Parts: sequence; structure tokens; C-alpha cells
Amino acid sequence: DTAVSQTPKYLVTQMGNDKSIKCEQNLGHDTMYWYKQDSKKFLKIMFSYNNKELIINETVPNRFSPKSPDKAHLNLHINSLELGDSAVYFCASSWASGGADTQYFGPGTRLTVL
Amino acid sequence: GENVEQHPSTLSVQEGDSAVIKCTYSDSASNYFPWYKQELGKRPQLIIDIRSNVGEKKDQRIAVTLNKTAKHFSLHITETQPEDSAVYFCAARDTGRRALTFGSGTRLQVQP
Repeated sequence: DTAVSQTPKYLVTQMGNDKSIKCEQNLGHDTMYWYKQDSKKFLKIMFSYNNKELIINETVPNRFSPKSPDKAHLNLHINSLELGDSAVYFCASSWASGGADTQYFGPGTRLTVL
Repeated sequence: GENVEQHPSTLSVQEGDSAVIKCTYSDSASNYFPWYKQELGKRPQLIIDIRSNVGEKKDQRIAVTLNKTAKHFSLHITETQPEDSAVYFCAARDTGRRALTFGSGTRLQVQP
């Protein structure tokens, strides 16, 4: 099932580098999200976009910059990577305008910063 | 903002027994409460959800109950099977936001 897809699945990089993670959904949803899951498995919202407009921006360092070129895509760019950025990043989507709340998650991107 | 607490953090049961996981939330404006199952190395997957206008919902071996007054909701799994072993997350969503606030997760181990 590739309703919500992310690339890459694994990302290993050095401290200080800049990297991007891409997310695409083919469900026709209008809202997309980025969640971070840390080593203790805790899932926390980072950003949310509705129809390409940023609607949620949690307390995230400004080294993280989301970009939504269209409703089906939400990318995450991270500048000057730090050790503490190592985590699994999940993209998700939902049809918020239709009143449906169900969020569908992508397979995750495991980021390891060395 | 919303705060969701989840207990227990780990739960071990014998195959065939029932398992109950409990969550409390802080924001009385929250109106949607999903439960996700996450297997090792996989994405969270929705297993059941409930809205604030309903007190209980059941889907085969899985049920969720909601007490709005006490602001808590629970997941019940009956006749557990080894394939139920996973981490389970509760979540809550308030009407003002579209993102979910997750509990800290419960690692369920079903012993054959």
C-alpha cells in the first residue's frame, strides 16, 4: 500500500549537513503532517499543512523548514543537522475539510546523524 | 495545549487473555480519539477510533470506551493473540487543531 510514501527510508549523514525528506500522498487529502518519533517511541507533531498553507508549527528549531509545493506533497528540509535530530520522521495525511479525522501515516524515514 | 497520558507503559498477557490500555486527556475541547498500533519498524496504523458523541465502539476483538466527564478513554482487546504484540498509542485531537496529540505508548506482549 503506497497511499502515503516517503523517501528515503533510511538517511545516514554527518553533523552539520543539510538533508531533505520527501512525502507524497495519493489519497486526495487536503492536510499533511510531519511527526517526529524519538528513541523512546514518543510521537510528536512538528508541522501541518492544509491546502499548501502552514497551519501548525510546533516549537521546532528553525533549522527545520517544511515546504508544500502542492496538496499531494510535503517535504521537510533540515539544515545544519545535529545529533539530537536522529529519529524516525513520519509523514501523515488526512481529509480535514471533509470532516474525516483519520490520519494515514507514511512508512517513516529513519534519520541517523553521526 | 492538549496533554495525553497513557498507562501502562508495558503490558504482558497470556494468549487468550484480555488487555486494557488507559488514557486520559486534558483538553475538554478534544472530540476525536484514535488508537494506533505500531509493529516494530513499521508505521502507526489506525485500529479503532471514537468521537466524543459516542461512549463505546466495538470492532470484533477490539473495543474503545470514552468517558467525557472524566476525560479518559480505554482500549480493550479480548482473546489476545501473539500477533497483537506491538506498541499501541492513544491520541486526542481538539477542534481547534488538526494534529493529534499522542500518548507515550504501551508495549503489549502476548505470550503464546
